[in-house]
Amino acid sequence: RKEVEQDPGPFNVPEGATVAFNCTYSNSASQSFFWYRQDCRKEPKLLMSVYSSGNEDGRFTAQLNRASQYISLLIRDSKLSDSATYLCVVNGDTDKLIFGTGTRLQVFP
Amino acid sequence: DAGITQSPRHKVTETGTPVTLRCHQTENHRYMYWYRQDPGHGLRLIHYSYGVKDTDKGEVSDGYSVSRSKTEDFLLTLESATSSQTSVYFCAISEEGAESPLHFGNGTRLTVT
Repeated sequence: RKEVEQDPGPFNVPEGATVAFNCTYSNSASQSFFWYRQDCRKEPKLLMSVYSSGNEDGRFTAQLNRASQYISLLIRDSKLSDSATYLCVVNGDTDKLIFGTGTRLQVFP
Repeated sequence: DAGITQSPRHKVTETGTPVTLRCHQTENHRYMYWYRQDPGHGLRLIHYSYGVKDTDKGEVSDGYSVSRSKTEDFLLTLESATSSQTSVYFCAISEEGAESPLHFGNGTRLTVT
């Protein structure tokens, strides 16, 4: 089993839709969780950290489910500019962060 | 944006030649990382550093070495470049290792012919 797994997509959604991605992780001792956004041929950029109680930043909501070992990202009212690849990141052993391979989102007019 | 500069941005080199990529930060962060990104594999850790002269291997370290003689600079060397090392290389920094998020440089696109 991979340490961090994501559905590669693509998720094709119309503008204004709500879309959710999940990411599963294998290390039950993981404590740090993040969502990154990566545009084509660009560097990944931090979208948001994921806290135990869940957290929201505008149209974006992140949740953590420790019992089932997954994190989720919900995007409400999708915009064309949300089209990107979303990377799930979880800490592994020691000082290492492990990246999922990403979920591609395409928002269409 | 975090002050991270990677150089060169693009490089084409021949098989068997040594190549050094440079990462420079102005944030005074303790941790620095080198990742490579390839289609179907996502970002994979090559090496990382947790302080000056303190480095450790990641999951794909074979064929690569690193050095960190100053807080601000982290060098990645391909000792003898191979075509399998054609990739996009990203440097990243963080304040507190795996407890804090990474901030990435713009990347170096390396082609080995």
